[in-house]
Amino acid sequence: DTGVSQNPRHKITKRGQNVTFRCDPISEHNRLYWYRQTLGQGPEFLTYFQNEAQLEKSRLLSDRFSAERPKGSFSTLEIQRTEQGDSAMYLCASSSKRGGFSYNEQFFGPGTRLTVL
Amino acid sequence: RKEVEQDPGPFNVPEGATVAFNCTYSNSASQSFFWYRQDCRKEPKLLMSVYSSGNEDGRFTAQLNRASQYISLLIRDSKLSDSATYLCVVNFPSGSGNTGKLIFGQGTTLQVKP
Repeated sequence: DTGVSQNPRHKITKRGQNVTFRCDPISEHNRLYWYRQTLGQGPEFLTYFQNEAQLEKSRLLSDRFSAERPKGSFSTLEIQRTEQGDSAMYLCASSSKRGGFSYNEQFFGPGTRLTVL
Repeated sequence: RKEVEQDPGPFNVPEGATVAFNCTYSNSASQSFFWYRQDCRKEPKLLMSVYSSGNEDGRFTAQLNRASQYISLLIRDSKLSDSATYLCVVNFPSGSGNTGKLIFGQGTTLQVKP
């Protein structure tokens, strides 16, 4: 399967703990995005990378959230001192201009569902 | 005002019906528009892009009205398999000129019944 993969698929943690999620984009996609989705809402933009450069971060991304893409391939999203309000599905997407696509045609991974107790 | 607004529904329609979804967006500088489909507890998947001239893909027709900042999706001859949430998606360009981020609407839920 050459789609976007995310690990873990599910994470249950206690309030105050740190968690880290990983995203592996489609091979050779140079853009990678992180979104958060809660029940009944559409995905909410968090941040995106072009290669290893983080180009934009949402104002919603508090100081407890950090994302990296050190080698321009996989990315990690870390949440420090988790709160119950962080419970959500965290989605990763990737895109490329190759093959006639535009950057805005994004391919999503299956997501990591976070539950903070 | 939300950046991308949709009627959340749900829309409950019988098989074979025609159903239309509407969406409005707030950023007049937006250049790219899409409809994504999301099945229950699955990731969103691109359904179709929306072009200024309108475009059709089988039973699905998308239209864009830039003056009114309005996007629509029409589904003809609904199938049971069309049951899903349909997300209206708009790009919000950044000041630096990058293509920027995608903003998703809340989604409109469609339930097609036999």
